[in-house]
Amino acid sequence: NAGVTQTPKFQVLKTGQSMTLQCAQDMNHNSMYWYRQDPGMGLRLIYYSASEGTTDKGEVPNGYNVSRLNKREFSLRLESAAPSQTSVYFCASSEVQGIAGGYTFGSGTRLTVV
Amino acid sequence: GEDVEQSLFLSVREGDSSVINCTYTDSSSTYLYWYKQEPGAGLQLLTYIFSNMDMKQDQRLTVLLNKKDKHLSLRIADTQTGDSAIYFCAVRSSGSARQLTFGSGTQLTVLP
Repeated sequence: NAGVTQTPKFQVLKTGQSMTLQCAQDMNHNSMYWYRQDPGMGLRLIYYSASEGTTDKGEVPNGYNVSRLNKREFSLRLESAAPSQTSVYFCASSEVQGIAGGYTFGSGTRLTVV
Repeated sequence: GEDVEQSLFLSVREGDSSVINCTYTDSSSTYLYWYKQEPGAGLQLLTYIFSNMDMKQDQRLTVLLNKKDKHLSLRIADTQTGDSAIYFCAVRSSGSARQLTFGSGTQLTVLP
């Protein structure tokens, strides 16, 4: 049982390049999330999808887009990468009827924009 | 919105107890969580407490909740070097369905 799988694990982009971070979960969870983690700032929510077919902005959505491709997959796209988007990105999923709605996290994507 | 705060660093000696503290602002918080992040890894759920509880114990972990002061703590008994990690407090509010708000994380260093 893989849980939440993120690809790639590491990526270096040049300013202005685009890329898509992939996330898939095999727990049949309804809700999925994208967070970024920066030193001293904890985790900040970028976008989330409460259920298949819906997406909503979180705290820091600017510069990002998302697609909830199906119940399993939730991708995050950077259309024109900027150095300020250098961060570690985490995907997570949850089910309200699960462990009191707690999240299961992927292992992260470490992105550097130069 | 919800604001969750933690101190950034804590150092303890191996075998001592560690206490990691967290404060939050939303009194309607329903579930409160502690996550552990080891280097290069994602966050792993350690334990959680429902807002109608004052304390929860799970082996070496004790969670205390003071709703009046909006204060949550995680005590790790007999701290080991393997407990060195970042610990995140997270809170779910009644109005936000499934969304969690995370603190900035406390880096716990266990000294031999």
